[in-house]
Amino acid sequence: EVQLVESGGVVVQPGGSLRLSCAASGFTFDDYAMHWVRQAPGKGLEWVSLISWDGGSTYYADSVKGRFTISRDNSKNSLYLQMNSLRAEDTALYYCAKGTVDTAMVTPGYFDYWGQGTLVTVSS
Amino acid sequence: EIVLTQSPGTLSLSPGERATLSCRASQSVSSSYLAWYQQKPGQAPRLLIYGASSRATGIPDRFSGSGSGTDFTLTISRLEPEDFAVYYCQQYGSSPVVTFGPGTKVDIK
Repeated sequence: EVQLVESGGVVVQPGGSLRLSCAASGFTFDDYAMHWVRQAPGKGLEWVSLISWDGGSTYYADSVKGRFTISRDNSKNSLYLQMNSLRAEDTALYYCAKGTVDTAMVTPGYFDYWGQGTLVTVSS
Repeated sequence: EIVLTQSPGTLSLSPGERATLSCRASQSVSSSYLAWYQQKPGQAPRLLIYGASSRATGIPDRFSGSGSGTDFTLTISRLEPEDFAVYYCQQYGSSPVVTFGPGTKVDIK
């Protein structure tokens, strides 16, 4: 059974930093690209970032480019999101999602499994 | 960046009725790389359809997807009580950027 468990969400002040983690199990982690997707309270889904199977390629939404860094540790079946210079508009539930391809050379793929999310609140 | 528009914003129907949800793209979606997700309150999204018309594992056959190019449709043939939820379309044909539509809420009339 595929499981994705996010952690690390807390209340943080504007300008602060935070690192989210996602522990994966039930599939061959290093066969797939992984994603972060977020959802602001009462709003729709927003793709945040993608990392290829080997961590060699990373991509970001314009809204987080230069502030967020995605990474992975295949030896630990774990995905991370380092979030710096946080803003109020980054407040959201952050989901870890399993991709369906290994890289984004042709397509970033869709998301066949999602975690339950971890809540990040940026507020003073 | 491909922008997705979903209509209607809210669809009010009764159990047993047919639901037709639309997703329109600002430009052609390559290779019909279009997916649909269902999200219920307090839950993560669940994959329903990928490749515009392929049902994901375990998805009942009352859910069907169709379309190509810029116009796509999700149809629920007969609404069950558990189908009342928000539905999102997502395009993945414009690498590496992924975009979602704003969602259609299907609620009980």
